[in-house]
Parts: sequence; structure tokens; C-alpha cells
Amino acid sequence: AQTVTQSQPEMSVQEAETVTLSCTYDTSESDYYLFWYKQPPSRQMILVIRQEAYKQQNATENRFSVNFQKAAKSFSLKISDSQLGDAAMYFCAYRSENDYKLSFGAGTTVTVRA
Amino acid sequence: DVKVTQSSRYLVKRTGEKVFLECVQDMDHENMFWYRQDPGLGLRLIYFSYDVKMKEKGDIPEGYSVSREKKERFSLILESASTNQTSMYLCASSLWVATLMNTEAFFGQGTRLTVV
Repeated sequence: AQTVTQSQPEMSVQEAETVTLSCTYDTSESDYYLFWYKQPPSRQMILVIRQEAYKQQNATENRFSVNFQKAAKSFSLKISDSQLGDAAMYFCAYRSENDYKLSFGAGTTVTVRA
Repeated sequence: DVKVTQSSRYLVKRTGEKVFLECVQDMDHENMFWYRQDPGLGLRLIYFSYDVKMKEKGDIPEGYSVSREKKERFSLILESASTNQTSMYLCASSLWVATLMNTEAFFGQGTRLTVV
């Protein structure tokens, strides 16, 4: 399995502020996909954002954006204008272009302070 | 609306029992997966299936088996439950399209299994 590392077990952010979650991965492949999933207390995993490795432009979805550094094998998630509903565990995931399986990091728990 | 449904949200079983975790998806997806989620370890793949009656081992298959008799249903079986199998189990499904490999996986709400 590919190794995906999330070095921050917990992060706390003030409402309306910005928080950045880090993710690094280990691969020898050139074509792959990266994902950030959100798991709120309801336990329902929801896709937040995805990035294709062949695209140089960083993906953005409303208040969520990524900083994809292919050479450094880094894929961080930035949450802008944090809202109480952003409180959740966030998982970084990797999938090879030629595979069905996702490899996940250990997760980062985000707490939003009112 | 996409739906992956797991039969139980909470389950308590005794050591040595045979346990069935059921998962149904209504999206006509080819791929289905069983993951185990533990604190500090993230999600680890137990088994996956890319077609009816087809299965492949994931990273931690020991102590588990699976069954996929129909496209929409994927069952995880603990032949003889042990306390170290106490965990959260997540089912997922995804579409397989050769020209669209960035398809996302859709998840069920998880089954929290406690083996006593």
C-alpha cells in the first residue's frame, strides 16, 4: 500500500479564520489522484476536493483549496473562512491511476472555536 | 442521490461468533470496498471487489472473508470474532470507467463493532 502521512493529529481554528492541513505521500508513479475526505460526527465520509497529478493547477472548491507540490509529494488542504460545520476529521487519500483502491492517512481532527 | 447503506450502525458480538456486516449500494457501481477505521491508523483496506463473485485481498485481510453474490451487495464476514476486531467498519463503492479513473468513492455511515 502507498504511504500517506498526515502529521497533525489535531488542529484548532477560530471561526472565520483559515487553517491548513498537511499531507505527504510516497509514490514512484507519475500519474495518480489525491483526495481530501471529511468525516463529521455523523460518520458519513464526504469528498471535499480532488486533484489529478497531471494537472499543475491547484484544485479549488468554494472555501476549500489545495496546495499540490508534486516534486515534494505534498498535498495540503486550506480551509478559508472556517465555519462551525467544518468541524470534522479530515483524511487525505491517494489512488494510483491504474488501481481502484484508496490509501488513507491517519486523519486530522479539526475543531472550530466559536 | 447516491447511497451506500450499511445494515447496522452499532453491533455487539461475543468472541467466537460468526459476524456478518452487510453493505448495499444503489448506484450500479462495479467496485465495492470494506475498510477498517482505527484511531491513529486511518482507514485500512480489508477486501475489495470489482465485479460479482470477484474479490481481492487488501492490506489487512487476515480474520476476514467477503461475499459478493449480487452487484449491489457486498458482505464482510468475521468467521470467528475476536476482541482485536473491535473497530469501525466502513463500506464504500465506486464506478469503474476506464477513461475516467478519477472517480470518487462513496461511503456508508459505518458500523461500530464491539467484540466482547
